[in-house]
Amino acid sequence: KAGVTQTPRYLIKTRGQQVTLSCSPISGHRSVSWYQQTPGQGLQFLFEYFSETQRNKGNFPGRFSGRQFSNSRSEMNVSTLELGDSALYLCASRTGANTEAFFGQGTRLTVV
Amino acid sequence: DQQVKQNSPSLSVQEGRISILNCDYTNSMFDYFLWYKKYPAEGPTFLISISSIKDKNEDGRFTVFLNKSAKHLSLHIVPSQPGDSAVYFCAATQYTGNQFYFGTGTSLTVIP
Repeated sequence: KAGVTQTPRYLIKTRGQQVTLSCSPISGHRSVSWYQQTPGQGLQFLFEYFSETQRNKGNFPGRFSGRQFSNSRSEMNVSTLELGDSALYLCASRTGANTEAFFGQGTRLTVV
Repeated sequence: DQQVKQNSPSLSVQEGRISILNCDYTNSMFDYFLWYKKYPAEGPTFLISISSIKDKNEDGRFTVFLNKSAKHLSLHIVPSQPGDSAVYFCAATQYTGNQFYFGTGTSLTVIP
C-alpha cells in the first residue's frame, strides 16, 4: 500500500510569491491534515479536510488556505509569502477518529 | 498556548539501557495519545498510541504509560538501540476531534 505522497519535496520561493503544495493520502483515507514544522515549535496544525470539507483550522493567517478533491488528494496554498513561512510542511492522512495519522515526507519550503 | 509539552529538548542514553521520554498536557478533554518518531528530512512515523481508558500499552521494546490524574505520559524504550536515535514527538487529541496537538519534541541520542 502506497504511503502519503507529498510534492514537491523542496521549494525555494521569493517573498511575495505564492506557492501550492500537494498531498496524496493513503488509499481509502478520507481525512487529510496539514502541519507546519519550524525549529523549536513542534508541529503546528494548519487545517484538516474530510470529504472535501474543511472541518478544522488552526491559528494561521488567511494567507494559508487549502482544499481537498473528490479523490481525497489535497492542496495547500500560501499567498504573499513571508520569510517566516520557511518551514517543513507535513501532510497526514487517517481513516477516522482515534486512529493514528500517517505522515508524508514533507515539503521543505524556503522563502528568500 | 502549548497544550502538549515536552520539557526535555534532548536526552542521551547508553545502548542497552532504558530511554524514558516524558510528555505533559493541559487539556483534560484529551483522550487519545500517540508517540511519533522523526528522522531528519523525513515525516514523523507512528510508534505507539494509548487511549485514556488504559494506563499502559506495550509494543515490543516500546511502552507508553498514561497518568491521567497528573496529565502525564511517558514512552519507555527498552533496550535502547543506536537506531532509536531520532526526535520523538508526543501528540494528543480528543475522540471527537480532528487535529493532533503536538509537543515540541525530544531529541534522543543512543550512544553505542
